Amino acid sequence: EADIYQTPRYLVIGTGKKITLECSQTMGHDKMYWYQQDPGMELHLIHYSYGVNSTEKGDLSSESTVSRIRTEHFPLTLESARPSHTSQYLCASLGSAEEKLFFGSGTQLSVL
Amino acid sequence: AQSVTQPDIHITVSEGASLELRCNYSYGATPYLFWYVQSPGQGLQLLLKYFSGDTLVQGIKGFEAEFKRSQSSFNLRKPSVHWSDAAEYFCAVGNFGNEKLTFGTGTRLTIIP
Repeated sequence: EADIYQTPRYLVIGTGKKITLECSQTMGHDKMYWYQQDPGMELHLIHYSYGVNSTEKGDLSSESTVSRIRTEHFPLTLESARPSHTSQYLCASLGSAEEKLFFGSGTQLSVL
Repeated sequence: AQSVTQPDIHITVSEGASLELRCNYSYGATPYLFWYVQSPGQGLQLLLKYFSGDTLVQGIKGFEAEFKRSQSSFNLRKPSVHWSDAAEYFCAVGNFGNEKLTFGTGTRLTIIP
């Protein structure tokens, strides 16, 4: 059902590398979100956007940054990855008509 | 501050048995409540939601949940589970005024034959 895509699905990289996690949706949703999820833990909101050129930090502090140059695209960037960044990152967009979040399949990031 | 507690980290039930997953929330106003399911390697999928009205809500895949304001609970139920129900289940609370949902830690459901 969901038309929201995240790439890559899995990523293993070395410490200090710059990475970008991609998230795209084809539903025309204005509001998009990034959540961080560790095993056995709740999802934490790290970034959100209410539209083009709008980005805000979420409840959980994160060293990552986001951009929203186009409605359909909401990439997340880590300038210098560290092992503490190892986690699953979930992107979501809000369907106002459906009154629910649509989630991507996530990116499992491992930093060695 | 809003919060969600899912007291059961892992539940194992037999196929065909009934299921109840617990969720308690803390919220300063009338809550919007959600249950999401996450299958391995997949994103989260909405099972059902409660905004107002009838406190017993029906969702997809035969799930239902009951909102009990006096107990601050929103437990998820299914009368007869199927092997395909094995997944992780997340309860969430929020308000679509700010669209920031708070999720619980999840309950992992295992189904045995």
